[in-house]
Amino acid sequence: GESVGLHLPTLSVQEGDNSIINCAYSNSASDYFIWYKQESGKGPQFIIDIRSNMDKRQGQRVTVLLNKTVKHLSLQIAATQPGDSAVYFCAENALSGGYNKLIFGAGTRLAVHP
Amino acid sequence: KAGVTQTPRYLIKTRGQQVTLSCSPISGHRSVSWYQQTPGQGLQFLFEYFSETQRNKGNFPGRFSGRQFSNSRSEMNVSTLELGDSALYLCASSLGLADEETQYFGPGTRLLVL
Repeated sequence: GESVGLHLPTLSVQEGDNSIINCAYSNSASDYFIWYKQESGKGPQFIIDIRSNMDKRQGQRVTVLLNKTVKHLSLQIAATQPGDSAVYFCAENALSGGYNKLIFGAGTRLAVHP
Repeated sequence: KAGVTQTPRYLIKTRGQQVTLSCSPISGHRSVSWYQQTPGQGLQFLFEYFSETQRNKGNFPGRFSGRQFSNSRSEMNVSTLELGDSALYLCASSLGLADEETQYFGPGTRLLVL
């Protein structure tokens, strides 16, 4: 597992700036990836997903990029707002052994300053 | 549609006791997965149930067990509690029909073992 909580890497941005959160995944056979947002005291909230046959997917103010060559995911948040402050996790669906086994990254804390 | 619900939200137990946590999935979802979240190990997969059968299992000792009922509600049990079992226990639900499905998380049960 990875460390989460007090020693999370933190990205500090100004309100209105764009944010980029990066994630390296471990299994080259993984074919489905998800970004989650977790606010204090809450469970992870789905943001956006991407399948391995795509390299980019856009949502509302968010874009996910997938680089399978280097096993790297990124989440871009446009015009970051104070409400975006949270911990962000990438997750890959590990196919070995069956369905619905998500492997989570360590998480990145996003701090948005006014 | 109501989201994933978990009860209780908070729990305090002492070492050696056992605990049962409950999860009600989103209506229509038949897959329930359980995760443990700690500052040191992050989010780790415990097990997944579909149609009352355990379909996938993580690397946790046998003290951690679960079950699923015919209405898709799930419980997880931890016996002989240890201090290190203190964590946020999250459940997530999905349709369970494909390996590329979004899992939706509940708010979690925070367990403190004294």
